[in-house]
Amino acid sequence: DVKVTQSSRYLVKRTGEKVFLECVQDMDHENMFWYRQDPGLGLRLIYFSYDVKMKEKGDIPEGYSVSREKKERFSLILESASTNQTSMYLCASSLRVKGGYYQPQHFGDGTRLSIL
Amino acid sequence: AQKITQTQPGMFVQEKEAVTLDCTYDTSDQSYGLFWYKQPSSGEMIFLIYQGSYDEQNATEGRYSLNFQKARKSANLVISASQLGDSAMYFCAMRDKRGKAAGNKLTFGGGTRVLVKP
Repeated sequence: DVKVTQSSRYLVKRTGEKVFLECVQDMDHENMFWYRQDPGLGLRLIYFSYDVKMKEKGDIPEGYSVSREKKERFSLILESASTNQTSMYLCASSLRVKGGYYQPQHFGDGTRLSIL
Repeated sequence: AQKITQTQPGMFVQEKEAVTLDCTYDTSDQSYGLFWYKQPSSGEMIFLIYQGSYDEQNATEGRYSLNFQKARKSANLVISASQLGDSAMYFCAMRDKRGKAAGNKLTFGGGTRVLVKP
């Protein structure tokens, strides 16, 4: 079974702090994703990585950066946390699309982040 | 730009009855894929079912079926014989072909919360 592990289920930080959210997958997937989930808005893509050291902005990248130094690990960084970044953060991974066939995304359990 | 709309923020369903969750989409692509995910209160997202735009048959997976109406741009999820364990958030999503990640990304709707009553 694919396992996507997020480092924390709950995290409380203060405004202005630098925050790191870590995600590790154990299935050698090329793609990794960071989403933010807010009530009524569904999941919105923050950043996407399709290979080591390769990244692409999603729909809401402002205030965030990412790092992918190893294939299995994808980190989300809040450079200077603000209260409007209080949210649920979900990490996912998938194989690359091959021959037009969909490769499902596998999700971690999420990190509920509160910025005070 | 792609957009997924789920107009039902929440709904109740009696145990053992069927429930239909609405999803409409907007895309200019001819080839696309639609998905449904389930998110229980524990938080993990569980992939339920997939429908390709060129699939001739509506997708089915156990008690889940997809009522795909291409002309109306709708992809409604039908859960038959509801169980208490079906209580969860349900998200409709579409493959997003923009950028280098062509086809690898998903665009999600706002979700529908389902509560199954005993």
